[in-house]
Amino acid sequence: DAKTTQPNSMESNEEEPVHLPCNHSTISGTDYIHWYRQLPSQGPEYVIHGLTSNVNNRMASLAIAEDRKSSTLILHRATLRDAAVYYCILANTGNQFYFGTGTSLTVIP
Amino acid sequence: ETGVTQTPRHLVMGMTNKKSLKCEQHLGHNAMYWYKQSAKKPLELMFVYSLEERVENNSVPSRFSPECPNSSHLFLHLHTLQPEDSALYLCASSQFYTSGGPREQYFGPGTRLTVT
Repeated sequence: DAKTTQPNSMESNEEEPVHLPCNHSTISGTDYIHWYRQLPSQGPEYVIHGLTSNVNNRMASLAIAEDRKSSTLILHRATLRDAAVYYCILANTGNQFYFGTGTSLTVIP
Repeated sequence: ETGVTQTPRHLVMGMTNKKSLKCEQHLGHNAMYWYKQSAKKPLELMFVYSLEERVENNSVPSRFSPECPNSSHLFLHLHTLQPEDSALYLCASSQFYTSGGPREQYFGPGTRLTVT
């Protein structure tokens, strides 16, 4: 199974940008990179996804390395509501999603 | 109701009991999923249903039995579980297309299962 590795935890000051890294060196050509986040006592919430090109949406930006072996989720201005566990996931065209252990983000007021 | 709902939210059962978890999605999606989330472990994909057909069963023990009667409903039937099966069971749905890659999944709040 394709796998991802992320730092266990990160901290950010409120209203500053946050860069959450993810390594996925075994990614295959047809795997998509998805990011989800999970707040306490809730199910995961979709953040963003991409294949090769960088992507932007209202929640975040996704920067994908040229060789696709790593990616970075960028939160442009962290708020206290962004404190969550962020998962970097490889998803294949068969709709199989492989979650890693995630990065627990703490936002400091 | 909107989104993905799961019932019950909490369940305590003995090892000899039979129970079922229910998931319902109100998003018009055609694919549904069961995940298991244990403490300090990644989410594990258990089952995938696409267009009401099971397309994935990741070596899940037979004491877990899924059922997808239509595109809006998904059940997980449980029998003779073990204490190590205690976990948060999450249901998700998405719209599956044959091209363009996997789309975002929408998760329910989960059922917290405790096996005693």
